[in-house]
Amino acid sequence: AQSVTQLDSQVPVFEEAPVELRCNYSSSVSVYLFWYVQYPNQGLQLLLKYLSGSTLVKGINGFEAEFNKSQTSFHLRKPSVHISDTAEYFCAVSQRGSARQLTFGSGTQLTVLP
Amino acid sequence: NAGVTQTPKFQVLKTGQSMTLQCAQDMNHNSMYWYRQDPGMGLRLIYYSASEGTTDKGEVPNGYNVSRLNKREFSLRLESAAPSQTSVYFCASTQGTSGDTQYFGPGTRLTVL
Repeated sequence: AQSVTQLDSQVPVFEEAPVELRCNYSSSVSVYLFWYVQYPNQGLQLLLKYLSGSTLVKGINGFEAEFNKSQTSFHLRKPSVHISDTAEYFCAVSQRGSARQLTFGSGTQLTVLP
Repeated sequence: NAGVTQTPKFQVLKTGQSMTLQCAQDMNHNSMYWYRQDPGMGLRLIYYSASEGTTDKGEVPNGYNVSRLNKREFSLRLESAAPSQTSVYFCASTQGTSGDTQYFGPGTRLTVL
C-alpha cells in the first residue's frame, strides 16, 4: 500500500516571493510521483511528474520539484509566485509497473497575496 | 478536442433518489476512473476501468455502481443517494501504461438533502 502526506493544508505567500509545497510519500515499492493543480471550480491538471532519471523535474508555469528517495519526499517549488498561481495543489503517487491507480494527498491551498 | 466531459455539472437529490453521472473521453484512452473530492481529503478513487469490459473497486466503492459502456464512456450510478455522498465527483482517463498522466473532467457537484 502507498500513502501521501502533504504537510501544509494552507500556504499564504506574497506575490513574487518563493514558495515550497511539501510532499512525503510512503510505499514498499518503487513509485512514480506527480503534482497536479486545481484552479477554482475546475478539474485537475498535471503540473509535472517524476518517472526516472534526473531527480529535478521541471513543469509548467515555472514550477519544479525534486525527488529525494532517501527522504521519500517530492517537494514542489517556484522561485517567484504570481497571483494566478492561487490554486489547490495535489501530490500523488503510483506504483511502478502498476501505474493505473493514483493515490492523492489531501491537498495544499496556495494563496498568493498582493 | 474536448478531452474528458462530464454531465451534469450540478445536481441536487433527495435522500433515496437515484441518478447516473456520465463521463466521456475522446482521447482513445484505455483506462477510466471515478473519484470523489471532499474538503481536506484529497481525491479518493471510487471505481476504475483498466480497459473496456473491465471494472474494479477503488478505495470507497460502497453505494456506487459503474458501467464501462464502451471505450469512450464510463458512468457512475448512485442507486439510493445518501447525504454522505454529497461531494464533487471527477472522472479521469489515461492511456493506461506506466507513468501515464491522468486527464480530468470538470467535475459534477452533487448535493444530497
